[in-house]
Amino acid sequence: GQQVMQIPQYQHVQEGEDFTTYCNSSTTLSNIQWYKQRPGGHPVFLIQLVKSGEVKKQKRLTFQFGEAKKNSSLHITATQTTDVGTYFCAAYYQTGANNLFFGTGTRLTVIP
Amino acid sequence: GAGVSQSPSNKVTEKGKDVELRCDPISGHTALYWYRQSLGQGLEFLIYFQGNSAPDKSGLPSDRFSAERTGGSVSTLTIQRTQQEDSAVYLCASSLAHLGQQGAFFGQGTRLTVV
Repeated sequence: GQQVMQIPQYQHVQEGEDFTTYCNSSTTLSNIQWYKQRPGGHPVFLIQLVKSGEVKKQKRLTFQFGEAKKNSSLHITATQTTDVGTYFCAAYYQTGANNLFFGTGTRLTVIP
Repeated sequence: GAGVSQSPSNKVTEKGKDVELRCDPISGHTALYWYRQSLGQGLEFLIYFQGNSAPDKSGLPSDRFSAERTGGSVSTLTIQRTQQEDSAVYLCASSLAHLGQQGAFFGQGTRLTVV
């Protein structure tokens, strides 16, 4: 089946440090989405990337889609305690079932 | 409604009993997804609906699990003869269209505990 690998599984950073999570697929993706889940909450949609090599920014967050459309990254600059949570990538594939496959997630802890 | 609504928010049931979980998606959203999330884990895909049809049921763990969607709106996920390993948070999400054209909006989930 389709698999989306996400690393790292956990990340602890000091407040103010940068953070990056990576999402990788062995097959080409149609597009990729990113979600954030706060502790005890539900996933919230952040952004969607569609084009090869696409880069999008939301304030301190930078999202990138690889040229081959097989990988993606989320980078947070100067983390804040409000960034705490689990970040998931979610992928649609060009062939196969039309469902949204979620990565394993990266749990971010920000130490004040 | 303003968002995806799921009920009940919490359900405790005895092993062997049947449970029914409800999802009311955002009005006009044609795509509906069910996921299962165990404590501290990722999202396990269960089933996807486009309108009333379910093109992909591949994620249902066993034949004890079934789901339906009527009128292109409300969906119910039924678990028969519940087992302790069914304990998890069941999340429902909807989106405006399929094939990833829009982000998915999640409900608050139903926390199922089988004792």
